[in-house]
Amino acid sequence: GQNIDQPTEMTATEGAIVQINCTYQTSGFNGLFWYQQHAGEAPTFLSYNVLDGLEEKGRFSSFLSRSKGYSYLLLKELQMKDSASYLCASRDNYGQNFVFGPGTRLSVLP
Amino acid sequence: DTAVSQTPKYLVTQMGNDKSIKCEQNLGHDTMYWYKQDSKKFLKIMFSYNNKELIINETVPNRFSPKSPDKAHLNLHINSLELGDSAVYFCASSQDLWGQPYNEQFFGPGTRLTVL
Repeated sequence: GQNIDQPTEMTATEGAIVQINCTYQTSGFNGLFWYQQHAGEAPTFLSYNVLDGLEEKGRFSSFLSRSKGYSYLLLKELQMKDSASYLCASRDNYGQNFVFGPGTRLSVLP
Repeated sequence: DTAVSQTPKYLVTQMGNDKSIKCEQNLGHDTMYWYKQDSKKFLKIMFSYNNKELIINETVPNRFSPKSPDKAHLNLHINSLELGDSAVYFCASSQDLWGQPYNEQFFGPGTRLTVL
């Protein structure tokens, strides 16, 4: 089976840096995704890791350690519009089964 | 220019009814998905489907059935609706895994289903 865990809620200040952690246990693994979901909207893709290390994409970076079953999403220079839920998802070896974590609701305060 | 579209956006119906939600993607993707997001915001995959294979999450009741008239459409039909079916249903699509570095999913806007 597959199990993914993330903190339920986080709060940070505008302009700051925040790290959202994700741990996963899967019977097969072929990639770790991060999605952003604003309230009442659809999830949108942020990043993807399949090899260990850091992937940087503008203000957002994502890190993966396969041996530890661990990933994090790093958000820099936080803006009010970054207030949203951040969903961690793993993909299995067959590539068509995705398991999403419960999401971390981030509140950015002025 | 909508990439993944769903209809209807809202659906309110009585318990026991049969309903369908339609999904269309104009991205030329090979694989489409249906997800259910409940009140606790858990996003759970229900089905993934391409022109070769339907993968069903074994926890999905057989009252739910996907129907794909062609590669660009994957509709969700639900029989004998129950109160617990109330949720937001998202359709998504992605390019087939093979030959791609990753298959990012594009989600539709969601259909909020309320069963009374």
